[in-house]
Amino acid sequence: DGGITQSPKYLFRKEGQNVTLSCEQNLNHDAMYWYRQDPGQGLRLIYYSQIVNDFQKGDIAEGYSVSREKKESFPLTVTSAQKNPTAFYLCASSITRFVTEAFFGQGTRLTVV
Amino acid sequence: GIQVEQSPPDLILQEGANSTLRCNFSDSVNNLQWFHQNPWGQLINLFYIPSGTKQNGRLSATTVATERYSLLYISSSQTTDSGVYFCAVTPRGGADGLTFGKGTHLIIQP
Repeated sequence: DGGITQSPKYLFRKEGQNVTLSCEQNLNHDAMYWYRQDPGQGLRLIYYSQIVNDFQKGDIAEGYSVSREKKESFPLTVTSAQKNPTAFYLCASSITRFVTEAFFGQGTRLTVV
Repeated sequence: GIQVEQSPPDLILQEGANSTLRCNFSDSVNNLQWFHQNPWGQLINLFYIPSGTKQNGRLSATTVATERYSLLYISSSQTTDSGVYFCAVTPRGGADGLTFGKGTHLIIQP
């Protein structure tokens, strides 16, 4: 089945630790995106990548980092610099940045303990 | 940046009722999508509709790009329609990625 796979589904992190969220797609899409959702809110864009080895900051990039070494993979690292990391994280992809219909993974729920 | 406003924020209906959800946006768009977020958090694509009208079963959507709004219609509601409905846009000539509204929380009671 084609789609976007995020792992893990639930993640617990101690304060001060970095943690990496995985996002893999087999849709052959060029563009990939990371969003954050807080309770009762819409999604906000963290980072996006239009093509391999390229990525851009979104609206709330502080405290996060990404890489795009392979077309199918776009991992997100939540660093210790992120002040309020507890949230629901969703990864998405689209065919290209110009064909912008986005498809989403099932999300990772991160809790800082 | 572009602003997206959804109304109403909350809606409670009986099974079988019809509903209209509205999305207003503040600038021209290249992309407008409607999503349904289920209780497990997954975003399900309903419509990709930067302009015009589309229908899919009991759901239909209309976007009037010149007036900067979109409407999502749900007919003969079922309890499985419950959840949060999001409108999201990409501004024309603007940054990549979607800007989301805050959603409409729909509850369908049996």
